[in-house]
Amino acid sequence: RKEVEQDPGPFNVPEGATVAFNCTYSNSASQSFFWYRQDCRKEPKLLMSVYSSGNEDGRFTAQLNRASQYISLLIRDSKLSDSATYLCVVKAGKLIFGQGTTLQVKP
Amino acid sequence: NAGVTQTPKFRILKIGQSMTLQCTQDMNHNYMYWYRQDPGMGLKLIYYSVGAGITDKGEVPNGYNVSRSTTEDFPLRLELAAPSQTSVYFCASSYQNTGELFFGEGSRLTVL
Repeated sequence: RKEVEQDPGPFNVPEGATVAFNCTYSNSASQSFFWYRQDCRKEPKLLMSVYSSGNEDGRFTAQLNRASQYISLLIRDSKLSDSATYLCVVKAGKLIFGQGTTLQVKP
Repeated sequence: NAGVTQTPKFRILKIGQSMTLQCTQDMNHNYMYWYRQDPGMGLKLIYYSVGAGITDKGEVPNGYNVSRSTTEDFPLRLELAAPSQTSVYFCASSYQNTGELFFGEGSRLTVL
């Protein structure tokens, strides 16, 4: 089993749609969780940290479920500019990157 | 404020050649990292450093070397390049070991 698993997609959604990505992790001792965004042929950039109580940043909501060992990212009212690959990152001592989920938002 | 700067952005090497990827950051971060990213794969940690004079191996260190003589610079050396080292290399830094990384723009290396 991979340490961090994501559905690679691609997720193709129309503008304005709501889309959710899940990410599962295997190490129950994982301490911190993040979502990074990576545009095509660009570097990853931190989108948001994921807190135990869940957190929201504009149209983006991140949730953590420690019991089931997954984190999620919800994007509301999708924009064309949201098209990117979203990387799930888990810190269990070291940082472990998921392979990413690709989102394509269509007009 | 430039952040993390990597050079070169692109390079083609022949098998057996050597080269150094340069990385510098101007944020006074203690932690610096080198990752490689292969198509469809997550980032794999090659080497990291927690401060000047201190380096340690990551998941995939074979075929690479690093040094950290200053807080700002963290070069990655490839000795005897092999086709398996064809990849995109990212340098990153962080203030502490928090998981909040700042990445350089990447260096695309092809070994033929």
